[in-house]
Amino acid sequence: GENVEQHPSTLSVQEGDSAVIKCTYSDSASNYFPWYKQELGKRPQLIIDIRSNVGEKKDQRIAVTLNKTAKHFSLHITETQPEDSAVYFCAATGSARQLTFGSGTQLTVLP
Amino acid sequence: GAGVSQSPSNKVTEKGKDVELRCDPISGHTALYWYRQRLGQGLEFLIYFQGNSAPDKSGLPSDRFSAERTGESVSTLTIQRTQQEDSAVYLCASSTLGYRNQPQHFGDGTRLSIL
Repeated sequence: GENVEQHPSTLSVQEGDSAVIKCTYSDSASNYFPWYKQELGKRPQLIIDIRSNVGEKKDQRIAVTLNKTAKHFSLHITETQPEDSAVYFCAATGSARQLTFGSGTQLTVLP
Repeated sequence: GAGVSQSPSNKVTEKGKDVELRCDPISGHTALYWYRQRLGQGLEFLIYFQGNSAPDKSGLPSDRFSAERTGESVSTLTIQRTQQEDSAVYLCASSTLGYRNQPQHFGDGTRLSIL
């Protein structure tokens, strides 16, 4: 089955700086890669996703890049703000229909 | 409803008891997923329903876990003879189609604590 690895597990940045979270996956059949943001005690919320026919997607301060050859994808957050502080999860769909999640990155934006 | 609804939001029970968790998906969503999230960890897939097809139960950790869904409506996840390691947040998600590239929308989860 699919295996997703996520790094780093924790990340602290100064407000206004950029944050980058990286994930690798194992199943070459994966074709959908969402990113979720989860605040403490809240539900995971989809913030951006990318499909395998696209190399990059941007939505305001958030962007995701995908390298299918290397089987890795990354989340980029620019001009970080304190409200960006949360746990971020990457995920990928393998041959099955369910999502396989990474282990999460605790992002802390320091004011 | 506007989003995925789960109940109860919290459940505390004694070891050995059975529990039933409920998920009401977004109206019109044919696919429904259950995940387990242990404290400080990622989400583990448990089971997937798509319309009237046979469910994908490949993520259920033991035969104490089972789930049902009637058509495209409410689903229930049942854990029998609960153990302390079952303590976790159980999250439900739904999506419009059961294909691999459709966004999944999550409920708030049920926080299960086994004493």
